[in-house]
Amino acid sequence: QSALTQPPSASGSPGQSVTISCSGTSSDVGGYNYVSWYQQHPGKAPKLMIYEVSKRPSGVPDRFSGSKSGNTASLTVSGLQAEDEAEYYCSSYAGSNNYVFGTGTKVTVL
Amino acid sequence: QVQLVQSGAEVKKPGASVKVSCKASGYTFTNYYIHWVRQAPGQGLEWMGIINPSGGTTSYTQKFQGRVTMTRDTSTSTVYMELSSLRSEDTAVYYCARRGSGWAYHFDYWGQGALVTVSS
Repeated sequence: QSALTQPPSASGSPGQSVTISCSGTSSDVGGYNYVSWYQQHPGKAPKLMIYEVSKRPSGVPDRFSGSKSGNTASLTVSGLQAEDEAEYYCSSYAGSNNYVFGTGTKVTVL
Repeated sequence: QVQLVQSGAEVKKPGASVKVSCKASGYTFTNYYIHWVRQAPGQGLEWMGIINPSGGTTSYTQKFQGRVTMTRDTSTSTVYMELSSLRSEDTAVYYCARRGSGWAYHFDYWGQGALVTVSS
């Protein structure tokens, strides 16, 4: 199972929006509406930000949104804030009790 | 509140085995599957497998089949991940993560991670 493809980096100024893509195949991202996104600050455990493509867990700001088209999922962070600077990973169910993560995207708030 | 508390850092020699624990609290232990995910230094996340704490059934990704064993102790609400025949490439932070509620395919709570260093 190959890792999902994410851009290595993305950036934006405070208040702007940034969108991160997550490209997979019809066997993972395209085949299931089970894409999730995680935020990871340095030295910390990942934190769930989006699940089932576009659902937000309780406590996650509505500045975070998710979508999917075909084999590519996206995470958009609107109204960027300093605390949004982190690594972001997508994940997808890949069938047969398998999961795959993305390569990770470092978001920098300029 | 939901908590997953993992055991501490370990240093192992190549060829040895390591057993990492993950103690759950704040919810009904047997109602939620637990995943194991690892992260090598400076690298991304890698899914290793999943255990059902209720019946103990497991599913491992092919890469680790034959080397990983996930078990649970319902009396202490603890799951374990044992990795054998360690090599330097197994140096990583190992996380346990709870599967979301219901028929879920995401990881809603994570342990703090346990660093395993493999070095001669």
